[in-house]
Amino acid sequence: QKEVEQNSGPLSVPEGAIASLNCTYSDRGSQSFFWYRQYSGKSPELIMFIYSNGDKEDGRFTAQLNKASQYVSLLIRDSQPSDSATYLCAVRSNYQLIWGAGTKLIIKP
Amino acid sequence: DGGITQSPKYLFRKEGQNVTLSCEQNLNHDAMYWYRQDPGQGLRLIYYSQIVNDFQKGDIAEGYSVSREKKESFPLTVTSAQKNPTAFYLCASTLRERGAVTDTQYFGPGTRLTVL
Repeated sequence: QKEVEQNSGPLSVPEGAIASLNCTYSDRGSQSFFWYRQYSGKSPELIMFIYSNGDKEDGRFTAQLNKASQYVSLLIRDSQPSDSATYLCAVRSNYQLIWGAGTKLIIKP
Repeated sequence: DGGITQSPKYLFRKEGQNVTLSCEQNLNHDAMYWYRQDPGQGLRLIYYSQIVNDFQKGDIAEGYSVSREKKESFPLTVTSAQKNPTAFYLCASTLRERGAVTDTQYFGPGTRLTVL
């Protein structure tokens, strides 16, 4: 069974620091990887996606992909209280999106 | 404004009742999805549809039914056969179900269903 694993947290990070969120997946044939942010009681919203090995930067966010290790991460620089949310990792595998359970991130002022 | 709408935002169901959740999109997306989210868990796929008049079961389809009579609409019925329906229900769409690897799923605001 295809799986996506995330540490449930909560991960507590001081304001202004770098938050690092991790995700591992089981299917080596996975094609693309998505990070979504979900505020409490709201629906997920896309932060960014990545499909090539290496880093991809978008503003304060950097996604990192290592297909050999089956590992994808999201770095949030200069963390703000508004970044406090649950971060969902989703992996596209054979046309389906497989979802992790999410990591709860808390940014402490 | 393009987007996905879901209604109602909150829904209360008595035991033994069927209820229907609405999902409409004006993004001209071919594919639509229904997910269920329980506290502390990831999204679980209920049903999905790639084109009009066609849909497939996801991982947890038992107790649910859908229809896709129009491209824009993908309603979900929670039947009395679903024994534990209290959850947050999310509708999503994407341009093509078997499109580019970067095709993204976009979500509606969700419907929170509670069984009384």
